[in-house]
Amino acid sequence: NAGVMQNPRHLVRRRGQEARLRCSPMKGHSHVYWYRQLPEEGLKFMVYLQKENIIDESGMPKERFSAEFPKEGPSILRIQQVVRGDSAAYFCASSPRQSGVGEQYFGPGTRLTVT
Amino acid sequence: RKEVEQDPGPFNVPEGATVAFNCTYSNSASQSFFWYRQDCRKEPKLLMSVYSSGNEDGRFTAQLNRASQYISLLIRDSKLSDSATYLCVVIGGQAGGSYIPTFGRGTSLIVHP
Repeated sequence: NAGVMQNPRHLVRRRGQEARLRCSPMKGHSHVYWYRQLPEEGLKFMVYLQKENIIDESGMPKERFSAEFPKEGPSILRIQQVVRGDSAAYFCASSPRQSGVGEQYFGPGTRLTVT
Repeated sequence: RKEVEQDPGPFNVPEGATVAFNCTYSNSASQSFFWYRQDCRKEPKLLMSVYSSGNEDGRFTAQLNRASQYISLLIRDSKLSDSATYLCVVIGGQAGGSYIPTFGRGTSLIVHP
């Protein structure tokens, strides 16, 4: 059973470009969470999705950031018009059920560098 | 007060030592608690859940103190491979019944020969 997959592992973008980060959850998992981790900082929740639904996006900036988890295919975190402050590691995690009663399994992360 | 607080450390201990970390949380309605481990620049990995009655997994023991709102992790007979950052995770209790995990910033452990 493959674990959570994320790609690309490393992404370099110039200021103003768009970044697309992809996450394929573990087989059988229908809950996906996205987190951001800045250097020397903790993990910050961004958004929680189930298939075709955004359940909670309270941690996601209102502008430039969006997320989706379509019926088919991976979950996508999209950052438009990137700025240097967006440079961070972005982790996705999946869970077979609501995290209140389940555990989360993390992907290896995408390290975004904005130049 | 932060929602989840941890002493960042680092805790520097020799091999074989016993070390304990605490993590305090502010929301008394929190429902689920976990310890994760994160190695440098890698993804967090679930170490263990924390139950009200406490639980043990080999050299690791986790406990929950609801009255004082903290959880603890005890590591016995430390190994070099235990060197990592240990993240405390608290879930539940938010308005509307949301089950969003809140991560502490982690406690760094360095085990030396």
